[in-house]
Amino acid sequence: QLQLHESGPGLVKPSATLSLTCAVSGGSISRSSYYWGWIRQPPGKGLEWIGTIYYSGDTYYNPSLKSRVTISVDTSKNQFSLELTSVTAADTAVYYCARTFFYTSKGDMAKVFFDNWGLGTLVTVSS
Amino acid sequence: QSVLTQPPSVSAAPGQKVTISCSGSSSNIGNNYVSWYQQLPGTAPKLLIYDNNKRPSGIPDRFSGSKSGTSATLGITGLQTGDEADYYCGTWDSSLSDGVFGGGTKLTVL
Repeated sequence: QLQLHESGPGLVKPSATLSLTCAVSGGSISRSSYYWGWIRQPPGKGLEWIGTIYYSGDTYYNPSLKSRVTISVDTSKNQFSLELTSVTAADTAVYYCARTFFYTSKGDMAKVFFDNWGLGTLVTVSS
Repeated sequence: QSVLTQPPSVSAAPGQKVTISCSGSSSNIGNNYVSWYQQLPGTAPKLLIYDNNKRPSGIPDRFSGSKSGTSATLGITGLQTGDEADYYCGTWDSSLSDGVFGGGTKLTVL
């Protein structure tokens, strides 16, 4: 049974870099046609897609966050990571990692959905 | 302001049926597949529907999805108190090159 588990600091200072890791168990991150992604949810608000990575390193990012986001993958550890730079209070949220079916091709109907989610981890940006 | 528009709340009695709408445009729902998620209080979202109308293994057939033009609908029949949750629609926006979600709909089973 596939399981994803987020880990990282729960408190980050303004202007610092938020770093989270998602450990995948019950399946290989590289033996899959799936991508792996991050989604966040500010307290009391809705979901926001952050970005997605394939085990080969192919990445796609939310355009509004692209200048501050890096998602990387470590197949040897079966995990992937998120870095978000220059954080502010607006980045306070529960961060989820999720297995992602990701197909986008010009002229074809895109298919993007998240079928396995981690429990989420709350990251608060505060001094 | 979400790219996809959902009603903030819906309610119905146990055993009844409810529908939740998700409105978008030709750059998202109109030309891409839609998914739906259930988020029970204090938990992570869970995939309910993908590819507009397909249910993952383990999701009861009380949950259904449909799409017409630039709108999608989630239907839930035989409502149970355990269905009280927030429901989100999601898809890809080809113009924004962005994964987008609706603002969420809170279902209350009276």
